[in-house]
Amino acid sequence: EVQLVQSGAEVKKPGESLKISCQGYGFSFTGTWIGWVRQMPGKGLEWMGIIYPTDSDTKYNPSFRGQVIISADRSINAAYLQWSSLKASDTAMYYCARGVGDPLRPHLDNWGQGTLVTVSS
Amino acid sequence: EIVLTQSPATLSLSPGERATLSCRASQSVSSGYLAWYQQIPGQAPRLLIYGTSSRATDIPDRFSGSGSGTDFTLTITRLEPEDFAVYYCHQYGTSPRTFGQGTKVEIK
Repeated sequence: EVQLVQSGAEVKKPGESLKISCQGYGFSFTGTWIGWVRQMPGKGLEWMGIIYPTDSDTKYNPSFRGQVIISADRSINAAYLQWSSLKASDTAMYYCARGVGDPLRPHLDNWGQGTLVTVSS
Repeated sequence: EIVLTQSPATLSLSPGERATLSCRASQSVSSGYLAWYQQIPGQAPRLLIYGTSSRATDIPDRFSGSGSGTDFTLTITRLEPEDFAVYYCHQYGTSPRTFGQGTKVEIK
């Protein structure tokens, strides 16, 4: 069974750093993409970016470029989303999802359960 | 970027009724790379439709997608109690990939 299991909820202060993870089970990261999607409280879905763990090719939404770093380690089927200096506006649920289908334009099929990040002083 | 506008914002229907959800793009969606997701409160989104009209694994055939160019539709032929949720369209043909703002299907 394909599963994406994300790390647990985090409570951080503004200015702190954070790295959350997404662990894949039942499939190989080789040959697939892993995407990240943000959902702010009570709001819709926002596409942040996507990585191809096979060669670390990464595409960012310009709105998030420079604000986060997406990375992956295909040897352990894990992907990561990290911040160097959190802001209160980063408070949100973050989902990872597997990208499949067209290798140049994958669609997101299986999703992780989400990681809630709360940034508050 | 391609802006996706979903309508209506809220759809109030009874179980057994037909639901028709619209997604309009600000420019043509490349090769029909349009997906639909269902999100039940407190849960992760679930893929329903990809490539405009292909049903994802284990999705019942009461869900269907259609459209082309800038106009796309998700149809639920007979609403079941578990179908009351928020639905998002998503284009993945052009970067940055974008989502619509969502349509809430609520019980009338």
